[in-house]
Amino acid sequence: DTGVSQNPRHKITKRGQNVTFRCDPISEHNRLYWYRQTLGQGPEFLTYFQNEAQLEKSRLLSDRFSAERPKGSFSTLEIQRTEQGDSAMYLCASSLSGTGSPLHFGNGTRLTVT
Amino acid sequence: AQKITQTQPGMFVQEKEAVTLDCTYDTSDQSYGLFWYKQPSSGEMIFLIYQGSYDEQNATEGRYSLNFQKARKSANLVISASQLGDSAMYFCAMRLSGTYKYIFGTGTRLKVLA
Repeated sequence: DTGVSQNPRHKITKRGQNVTFRCDPISEHNRLYWYRQTLGQGPEFLTYFQNEAQLEKSRLLSDRFSAERPKGSFSTLEIQRTEQGDSAMYLCASSLSGTGSPLHFGNGTRLTVT
Repeated sequence: AQKITQTQPGMFVQEKEAVTLDCTYDTSDQSYGLFWYKQPSSGEMIFLIYQGSYDEQNATEGRYSLNFQKARKSANLVISASQLGDSAMYFCAMRLSGTYKYIFGTGTRLKVLA
């Protein structure tokens, strides 16, 4: 169990640019989540994958956001035409099935849009 | 709608003393899971403890225990014998059975004083 890995750790981009983040979950976990966290707030749900299927997207996720999980392994989160309001910590987490299964989080990718 | 409320934005505790962090939740479902996470300044979310809604015993994990009062819809985290390394943000979260979304509160910042 090597844990959830996210990269990059930090990303600074100019408004209007596209960015892509990667998440490698714990290998035996079939569930993968993306959350967004702003300063002083708890994580907010963005999207969820069960294996390769994206089963839910939050209404927080505008059309500029897209996530994929090809082959049910790693996942990518892309933000197109970034805006300053997109500045946040983007957290990836994975879990097993079951109500009692906790989320295991990566260290996150901190995005700063200038 | 499901909701987690953490009313204490910040707490102080003297080293070696116990501290209780409050969490109340709102759901009409009978089956759900409650989780507590710790987020140090490094940013990683660390799973601490889990309580199922049908569990009759309060959950314990080392120095962490969960004071679960189902009728009051509260799931307070108790940290015994506080250590300086316990200084962090603490988040309460809920997941309804049959769903996959974990809902987080806004967190409580704990500072342990030497």
